[in-house]
Amino acid sequence: EVQLLESGGGLVQPGGSLRLSCAASGFTFSNCAMSWVRQAPGKGLEWVSAITGSGGSTYYADSVKGRSTISRDNSKNTLYLQMNSLRAEDTAIYYCTKGSTASRPYYFDYWGQGTLVTVSS
Amino acid sequence: EIVLTQSPGTLSLSPGERATLSCRASQSVSSSYLAWYQKKPGQAPRLLIYGASSRATGIADRFSGSGSGTDFTLTISRLEPEDFAVYFCQEYGSSRAFGQGTRLEIK
Repeated sequence: EVQLLESGGGLVQPGGSLRLSCAASGFTFSNCAMSWVRQAPGKGLEWVSAITGSGGSTYYADSVKGRSTISRDNSKNTLYLQMNSLRAEDTAIYYCTKGSTASRPYYFDYWGQGTLVTVSS
Repeated sequence: EIVLTQSPGTLSLSPGERATLSCRASQSVSSSYLAWYQKKPGQAPRLLIYGASSRATGIADRFSGSGSGTDFTLTISRLEPEDFAVYFCQEYGSSRAFGQGTRLEIK
């Protein structure tokens, strides 16, 4: 059974940093691209960042480019998202998603339960 | 970048009725790289359809997807109480963009 368990969310002040983690199990982690998708309160889904199965290529939405770094440790089956210079508009539930293949094109066939990030003073 | 526009914004129907949700792309979607997801409050989104018309594992056959190019449709043939949720389409061939969602509510 595929499981994705996010952690690391919480309350942070504007300008602060957070590191999100996603522990994956139930599939061959290195064979799948992974992404982070977020949903702000009352809003729709927004793709944030993606990384290929090998970790060799990374991609970012314009809204987080230059402030966030996605990475993965295939030996630990874990995905990360380091977020810096956080803004109020980054407040959202962040979902870890599994891609259907190692590289594009892929859809998100499994999602974690999400971790809440709140940016507020 | 491809922009997806979903309509209607809200659809009010009764259990047993047929639901038709639309997703229109600003430019042609390559190789029908179009997916549909269901989102319920407090739950993770769930993949319903990929490749415009292929049902994901475990998805009931009352859910069907169709379309190509710029116009895509998600149809729920007979609504069950558990189907009332928000539905998002997504283009995953180039932009990874999501539509803004259609809220399916009980009439």
